[in-house]
Amino acid sequence: GENVEQHPSTLSVQEGDSAVIKCTYSDSASNYFPWYKQELGKGPQLIIDIRSNVGEKKDQRIAVTLNKTAKHFSLHITETQPEDSAVYFCAASIIQGAQKLVFGQGTRLTINP
Amino acid sequence: NAGVTQTPKFRILKIGQSMTLQCAQDMNHNYMYWYRQDPGMGLKLIYYSVGAGITDKGEVPNGYNVSRSTTEDFPLRLELAAPSQTSVYFCASSYFLPGGPYEQFFGPGTRLTVL
Repeated sequence: GENVEQHPSTLSVQEGDSAVIKCTYSDSASNYFPWYKQELGKGPQLIIDIRSNVGEKKDQRIAVTLNKTAKHFSLHITETQPEDSAVYFCAASIIQGAQKLVFGQGTRLTINP
Repeated sequence: NAGVTQTPKFRILKIGQSMTLQCAQDMNHNYMYWYRQDPGMGLKLIYYSVGAGITDKGEVPNGYNVSRSTTEDFPLRLELAAPSQTSVYFCASSYFLPGGPYEQFFGPGTRLTVL
């Protein structure tokens, strides 16, 4: 089955700098890659996603890139702000009815003022 | 809309006890999911449902049961609680149409401790 590895497990950046989180997946059939943000005591919330027919997607300060050949995808956050501090999860699945997401281990991002 | 709601928020069980974690959604989503999140780990899928009366196993179903009698509700049952089931449990829902997928909406979670 699918296996998703996420790095780093913790990341600390200065406010205003950029943050990059990387994930690799094992199943070449996976074609949907969402990123979730989880704030303390809350459930995960989708922040951006990408399908395998797209190499890059951007939404304001957040972007995701996908390399299908290498089976890895990355989250890029620019101009980081204190409210970006949270745990971020990548996931992978196949688009076929029920969306059985396989999650990475998570990255705790801390933005230092 | 309340979105996805879960009860209780916290629960402590003794080994061997049983309980039901409640999950409800008011978005008329056909798909619902149960995940568990162990400390420092990602979420793992326990069970999912594609509609009322239809459920299927996920990655880690052992020790759990589910039912889906209505579109809105998707309870998770623990029959004989074990310390290994200490975790935070999240329920999620989504709809799916051709051309999907669509966003999974998560509830706030239930923190369960088995002693």
